[in-house]
Amino acid sequence: GAGVSQSPSNKVTEKGKDVELRCDPISGHTALYWYRQRLGQGLEFLIYFQGNSAPDKSGLPSDRFSAERTGESVSTLTIQRTQQEDSAVYLCASSGQTGFGTQYFGPGTRLTVL
Amino acid sequence: DQQVKQNSPSLSVQEGRISILNCDYTNSMFDYFLWYKKYPAEGPTFLISISSIKDKNEDGRFTVFLNKSAKHLSLHIVPSQPGDSAVYFCAASESSGSRLTFGEGTQLTVNP
Repeated sequence: GAGVSQSPSNKVTEKGKDVELRCDPISGHTALYWYRQRLGQGLEFLIYFQGNSAPDKSGLPSDRFSAERTGESVSTLTIQRTQQEDSAVYLCASSGQTGFGTQYFGPGTRLTVL
Repeated sequence: DQQVKQNSPSLSVQEGRISILNCDYTNSMFDYFLWYKKYPAEGPTFLISISSIKDKNEDGRFTVFLNKSAKHLSLHIVPSQPGDSAVYFCAASESSGSRLTFGEGTQLTVNP
């Protein structure tokens, strides 16, 4: 596809359940990022993958959050034992280079934890 | 600790006039700055960027100004158009890493 895609677009879950969010970056982009946006706030960095390097996980808010990336393609963000404060839009971005490469964002997954 | 701040949550201007969106940062390690535009239910769209070696970058109707001593940047849109109505996010990064630190956003409304 031409841009970053994410699925599902919306996810409603019950507190305590696990969820998986998927991101397909732009083909050929080596860097992939996850952010989240809570209501009324700016985007908050979660995790960053660059090629085969160890991911930068410094933004993950708790050990309930984890992410994987298969090579330089699909990434999955997993939230275990979801809490109501996890409700947010989860955004994925990819870029073609590190450092000053422009990040291109997907449409996001809106997660609602009841 | 909010390292990037957009102090105006909203801005309303008339079509054809100039829109000025402001952003302040506190981290002196930031050396690359970007503006993104976001429509409802869509991801942010890259608009324009500037590195710290410059104080101005222009692209069509959009100009970004950087004042490093004041740790302040601004986005000028002229002339403003109704289609520019969106939330505008300021973002910054350090040369040593690629993560972006975002401001809270400013809702711009351009009235016909």
